[in-house]
Amino acid sequence: QKEVEQNSGPLSVPEGAIASLNCTYSDRGSQSFFWYRQYSGKSPELIMSIYSNGDKEDGRFTAQLNKASQYVSLLIRDSQPSDSATYLCAVNMLGNYQLIWGAGTKLIIKP
Amino acid sequence: SAVISQKPSRDICQRGTSLTIQCQVDSQVTMMFWYRQQPGQSLTLIATANQGSEATYESGFVIDKFPISRPNLTFSTLTVSNMSPEDSSIYLCSVVRDSYGYTFGSGTRLTVV
Repeated sequence: QKEVEQNSGPLSVPEGAIASLNCTYSDRGSQSFFWYRQYSGKSPELIMSIYSNGDKEDGRFTAQLNKASQYVSLLIRDSQPSDSATYLCAVNMLGNYQLIWGAGTKLIIKP
Repeated sequence: SAVISQKPSRDICQRGTSLTIQCQVDSQVTMMFWYRQQPGQSLTLIATANQGSEATYESGFVIDKFPISRPNLTFSTLTVSNMSPEDSSIYLCSVVRDSYGYTFGSGTRLTVV
């Protein structure tokens, strides 16, 4: 059974601080890793993708991948109240379009 | 990346009836995916719809309950049949965008009474 695990939260972070969201996955064959943001009542929105070990930065967002530890994380710098949402981690294997989804972490940024 | 128009955005239906959800994509795509998301839960894949072939259903979902149509490379429908209150959920269609990430439609919020 291929699994993706996330802490459901809620994770409460003060405005301006760094929010750190974590995700572990069970299948060592996983090749592509995604972070989605989902506001309440809205559909998921892709915010980061990462495919190789290390860090990938995009604005205030940094995705970190460690395939040896089967671990992917998302850092949000200078957190804003508008970052309050549920963050979903998803992975897939090379050549397989199906994504395996985590349950999501609810992030709350406190003003 | 693809833009998906999904409708209806929400509906309240009587038990025992059926609802058809439509998704229109602004470009041709090979695969479309239908998901269900129950309140406070993550996404559950219902089926994968390929043009010109039968949809592939995930464990726990059957064609009689969730028939899918995929008449061309830009359009698909999902019908929720013989509805019960347990079918109350958000239904989402999605397509693969570049680099294997997904783009989602805006979702259909279904309430069965």
